[in-house]
Amino acid sequence: ETGVTQSPTHLIKTRGQQVTLRCSSQSGHNTVSWYQQALGQGPQFIFQYYREEENGRGNFPPRFSGLQFPNYSSELNVNALELDDSALYLCASSGGQYTDTQYFGPGTRLTVL
Amino acid sequence: AQSVTQLDSQVPVFEEAPVELRCNYSSSVSVYLFWYVQYPNQGLQLLLKYLSGSTLVKGINGFEAEFNKSQTSFHLRKPSVHISDTAEYFCAVSRSGGSYIPTFGRGTSLIVHP
Repeated sequence: ETGVTQSPTHLIKTRGQQVTLRCSSQSGHNTVSWYQQALGQGPQFIFQYYREEENGRGNFPPRFSGLQFPNYSSELNVNALELDDSALYLCASSGGQYTDTQYFGPGTRLTVL
Repeated sequence: AQSVTQLDSQVPVFEEAPVELRCNYSSSVSVYLFWYVQYPNQGLQLLLKYLSGSTLVKGINGFEAEFNKSQTSFHLRKPSVHISDTAEYFCAVSRSGGSYIPTFGRGTSLIVHP
């Protein structure tokens, strides 16, 4: 059983650019959630996908968007990057939208210059 | 909406000493409560969770937590810590029932000294 994987590990972008982060869910999991963790803070919920449909969204602007694919892998896209977007982006998968146990990936560290 | 307050940003302790990491929550509805651990450069790992039933919950690595509804608290404890317990600990709350979308606290850095 493979765990949750994320790519890339690190990424450096400049302000105004666009970025795509990828997540591969744990085998058998159909729900994925994305979180933003700024330095020294707890994770903040961005959105959740269940069977390719957005299932919930946190307080993030529309330039944060996502996709979930039929194999339940997922992407987080961020347009028009701002300096404050610099953070660790975490992906977590679970066996269902009502399942309380999430399995987290190691994260992607995004730096916006 | 739910919120979580972790009262201590940093807790230094000597090896083999007991430790308590404090967590208080606010919610107008019934909640589930969680503690996660994050080691450097890694994602979060679930330590334990309270969904219902016994208010004393035991987790991995010798940790336990007690749900206190009247004080809206869910403090994490370990009777004897090890150097390897040095990490960031996050308390989280989610509305019971419905989609699981947790709200996390800001974290407590546990630093275990030899």
